[in-house]
Amino acid sequence: DTEVTQTPKHLVMGMTNKKSLKCEQHMGHRAMYWYKQKAKKPPELMFVYSYEKLSINESVPSRFSPECPNSSLLNLHLHALQPEDSALYLCASSQDPGLAGVRNEQFFGPGTRLTVL
Amino acid sequence: KNEVEQSPQNLTAQEGEFITINCSYSVGISALHWLQQHPGGGIVSLFMLSSGKKKHGRLIATINIQEKHSSLHITASHPRDSAVYICAVNGNQFYFGTGTSLTVIP
Repeated sequence: DTEVTQTPKHLVMGMTNKKSLKCEQHMGHRAMYWYKQKAKKPPELMFVYSYEKLSINESVPSRFSPECPNSSLLNLHLHALQPEDSALYLCASSQDPGLAGVRNEQFFGPGTRLTVL
Repeated sequence: KNEVEQSPQNLTAQEGEFITINCSYSVGISALHWLQQHPGGGIVSLFMLSSGKKKHGRLIATINIQEKHSSLHITASHPRDSAVYICAVNGNQFYFGTGTSLTVIP
């Protein structure tokens, strides 16, 4: 299984809602990533989990709260979002954050298209 | 200045044409990736390379470490190749280029 899955595929939420995005991989990867991508822009790194611990937070607002319950799952909890948070949210995983170069290829999920009204 | 620059930003080609997309980077890297993203879709990794050249079907990727430059070539282009192609590098973090939007016209 060389797949990263994400649910839901699409999500529409109001500014007062609480929702969660889910990401799953069964490749035994120990690094997992959340990216945000606006239209016609490259992905922007939000969070990195390394061995289920948060290792990088790219100054993301607290209305985004990541969680890594186990080595296969990564969640992104959303609360009190703004319309400008509407974007494609991509999850990725890689084998080992300690490995460099070609041994640490990132595998991307299909993304969740989020619309905040 | 972006750590990874791609050219061209947009490219339109006739079906069957040979296509080249270029990527230059300014940081030390351990690997370079070529990624493909279809409209509204997730990202698929096409190549990861740290030296030389790789070929998958009609796609060829080359990298020149000394010149900090990589190219992605598509031979005999097809409308299904229409997508955004993104160059990304493993430096001390993962840096993405701004992407090249390719449209192949039948």
